[in-house]
Amino acid sequence: EDKVVQSPLSLVVHEGDTVTLNCSYEVTNFRSLLWYKQEKKAPTFLFMLTSSGIEKKSGRLSSILDKKELFSILNITATQTGDSAVYLCAVGGSSNTGKLIFGQGTTLQVKP
Amino acid sequence: DAGVIQSPRHEVTEMGQEVTLRCKPISGHDYLFWYRQTMMRGLELLIYFNNNVPIDDSGMPEDRFSAKMPNASFSTLKIQPSEPRDSAVYFCASSSVGTSSYNEQFFGPGTRLTVL
Repeated sequence: EDKVVQSPLSLVVHEGDTVTLNCSYEVTNFRSLLWYKQEKKAPTFLFMLTSSGIEKKSGRLSSILDKKELFSILNITATQTGDSAVYLCAVGGSSNTGKLIFGQGTTLQVKP
Repeated sequence: DAGVIQSPRHEVTEMGQEVTLRCKPISGHDYLFWYRQTMMRGLELLIYFNNNVPIDDSGMPEDRFSAKMPNASFSTLKIQPSEPRDSAVYFCASSSVGTSSYNEQFFGPGTRLTVL
């Protein structure tokens, strides 16, 4: 059965800290891994990763994929209170059906 | 583009009543997904359509739930009869597999359902 597991489930840090969120997966016919950020509304897209070892970066956020070890990490440097959210990892597989398997999410709280 | 549109944004109903949630996907997208999100279970895929045809409804919790997509620009998720345990946020998402953004799903704002 396809599954995506995120860790930790929750995290509390102070502004300025650096955090690393983890996502491991077991998915048939892997196509892509996506990171979403969810505040008190709908998930919004952050990154899509398809190739191992290539870092994707957007401001203070970066992510990398390891297809051999079947995991990805999302790094946030110099955290701000606005980074407080649930971060969702999702994996697309199974031969181009469009379906994503979501992890349970990591709840990040950044304190001032 | 206006993005994925869902209505209503909030729905409060009493147990036993019929509830209909509506979704308009992004124009040109050929996949449409219905999700349910709760604190306990996270984001669960209920059903998804490709070119208006249901592909996988294995996530639909029971026969009280049904979904339709009569055309490329409209889908409904119906719960009849509703129960308190159906209280959740229901998201609709759409995507266009086969483009450079394959698998990326765009989410609507969600419908927060409360069944009393």
